[in-house]
Amino acid sequence: EIVLTQSPGTLSLSPGDRATLSCGASQSVSSFLAWYQQRPGQAPRLLIYGASIRAPDIPDRFSGSGSGTDFTLTISRLEPEDFAVYYCQQYANTSPLTFGGGTKVEIK
Amino acid sequence: QVQLQESGPGLVKPSQTLSLTCTVSGGSVNSGGYYWSWIRQHPGKGLEWIGYIYYSGTTYYNPSLQSRLSISLDASENQFSLRLSSVTAADTAVYYCARYSSANNYFFFDYWGQGALVTVSS
Repeated sequence: EIVLTQSPGTLSLSPGDRATLSCGASQSVSSFLAWYQQRPGQAPRLLIYGASIRAPDIPDRFSGSGSGTDFTLTISRLEPEDFAVYYCQQYANTSPLTFGGGTKVEIK
Repeated sequence: QVQLQESGPGLVKPSQTLSLTCTVSGGSVNSGGYYWSWIRQHPGKGLEWIGYIYYSGTTYYNPSLQSRLSISLDASENQFSLRLSSVTAADTAVYYCARYSSANNYFFFDYWGQGALVTVSS
């Protein structure tokens, strides 16, 4: 099983700040990594797939980078609606598909 | 626009079988290229992939749940279902159905249901 470790667990920032979220894989997943946003009480929403490809209708302030075992999700300027929990997910190994533990971006 | 909606009992007794159905609208479960999936989230915790089914009926399960798990497809109703047997309190979670799609060999969960809370308790 590929374990994904997200850091930090919580990020306390202000609107307009830049957010940098990390996801580390226990073994290489190439570019087979996606990022999701989950707002309270809602289902997750796809942000990024293929490590760096923005999903349709996702604002360009969201960007993803990395390959192999180290990945980053960057939010260039936080909007009020961006305060949420973010998960990475790998699909290099489908037995099983795994998610990271999440990073909560909260208002400072 | 594809929409998914979970339905089923919100309360299940320990040792019994948890059953949920996901109804798909705006798309067909008979379409190739999509895997119809179940994912759960324990209260206040992260996401756990349960398994998925292809339109052909081929299933892929999380090894940690495989011995208790069954996912099936009903194309006539445009639905797919989850059955998890011998449940315990550890199976209490919000259960999501989702569509697992692909583009250029990249895969992702692009449409999700709103989630259904299932509590295991006597």
